[in-house]
Amino acid sequence: EAGVTQFPSHSVIEKGQTVTLRCDPISGHDNLYWYRRVMGKEIKFLLHFVKESKQDESGMPNNRFLAERTGGTYSTLKVQPAELEDSGVYFCASSHQTNRAGATQYFGPGTRLTVL
Amino acid sequence: GEDVEQSLFLSVREGDSSVINCTYTDSSSTYLYWYKQEPGAGLQLLTYIFSNMDMKQDQRLTVLLNKKDKHLSLRIADTQTGDSAIYFCAESMAGGYNKLIFGAGTRLAVHP
Repeated sequence: EAGVTQFPSHSVIEKGQTVTLRCDPISGHDNLYWYRRVMGKEIKFLLHFVKESKQDESGMPNNRFLAERTGGTYSTLKVQPAELEDSGVYFCASSHQTNRAGATQYFGPGTRLTVL
Repeated sequence: GEDVEQSLFLSVREGDSSVINCTYTDSSSTYLYWYKQEPGAGLQLLTYIFSNMDMKQDQRLTVLLNKKDKHLSLRIADTQTGDSAIYFCAESMAGGYNKLIFGAGTRLAVHP
């Protein structure tokens, strides 16, 4: 079974440009999460989808970030326009259940975004 | 508030035990996790412990939880070079098992 995949693995863009990150969760996982690690600091939660619905988007930094999960399969995270402080590693995770004790979130390898 | 802290770096000799420490602030944490990130890879769940437990052992890994002091530790016995990675401590909150709160990660370097 394939794990969580993310594309691209690296992206280098200039300030003001737009970038779209993609995440393909493990097949059959209804729950999809986005996290971000900036400058070697802690990994911070961005948002959580249950199927195509946003369950919790309390971690989204501002309205330059737009996450979608049309059809409840893969998800995209668009940053428009990108700023220097958006640089970091963006992780996606998926899980089968959230109401089971210790439900495991499986993480992808991340997309390293560099904004120049 | 939600805050998880870890020391940033640990160096150990191959064959020794490693102890990675973590403190958290939210007493409503339900589960506490240890994730491992190897270079170029995603986060791999190593182990987790429920907040009403004091200890959990899984082969070379021992997790100790002191809920009074809000302190979590991961002990790796007989540390090997393949254990070199970044180790992240994380917590999830009561009322849902959705959002994980992570620390900044501890980089473990294992030398001969």
